Amino acid sequence: DAKTTQPNSMESNEEEPVHLPCNHSTISGTDYIHWYRQLPSQGPEYVIHGLTSNVNNRMASLAIAEDRKSSTLILHRATLRDAAVYYCSRYGGNKLVFGAGTILRVKS
Amino acid sequence: GAVVSQHPSWVICKSGTSVKIECRSLDFQATTMFWYRQFPKQSLMLMATSNEGSKATYEQGVEKDKFLINHASLTLSTLTVTSAHPEDSSFYICSASRILGLPLAKNIQYFGAGTRLSVL
Repeated sequence: DAKTTQPNSMESNEEEPVHLPCNHSTISGTDYIHWYRQLPSQGPEYVIHGLTSNVNNRMASLAIAEDRKSSTLILHRATLRDAAVYYCSRYGGNKLVFGAGTILRVKS
Repeated sequence: GAVVSQHPSWVICKSGTSVKIECRSLDFQATTMFWYRQFPKQSLMLMATSNEGSKATYEQGVEKDKFLINHASLTLSTLTVTSAHPEDSSFYICSASRILGLPLAKNIQYFGAGTRLSVL
């Protein structure tokens, strides 16, 4: 399976933007990039997804590199409630494969 | 909308017993549901894909006779851990996506809150 790789952890200040990177250099041309986040002892929550174009929604933005080998999840103004594990995942072959995740810590 | 309910949220059982976990899509229909397992401080690992009205598709290394999956309707999938042992203790999570008529890859996955299984 093509893997996604992410930094183990990142830290941000409250009210500042956060850029969470993900490498997926071996992703298939038809695989979608999905981002989910998870709080302790809870199921993951959908954040955003895309294929080739940059995407925006009320939660975040997703910037996908032109060669699709990497992407960046952007939280425009981090809040304490955004502290979670963020998973960069690929959706291909009718299944979602999770990366190892990035622990995001938000400082007040 | 798009709520996935998982029950029970927490279960303790004796070694050798079987445990059934239910996953329901409350306000939408799902032809496909997925079952994941997550060990402490690790990512989610896909166990199987549950298809309504047909046999589940198991990932490599997952014992289909140990983890029985039944997807009897468009809103319910169950995972039964048979003859549970302490090494089966884990956080089990299900997910489902709406039938939108779009390629499945585009569909958002909605996750249950998870079931923590402890086998004594």
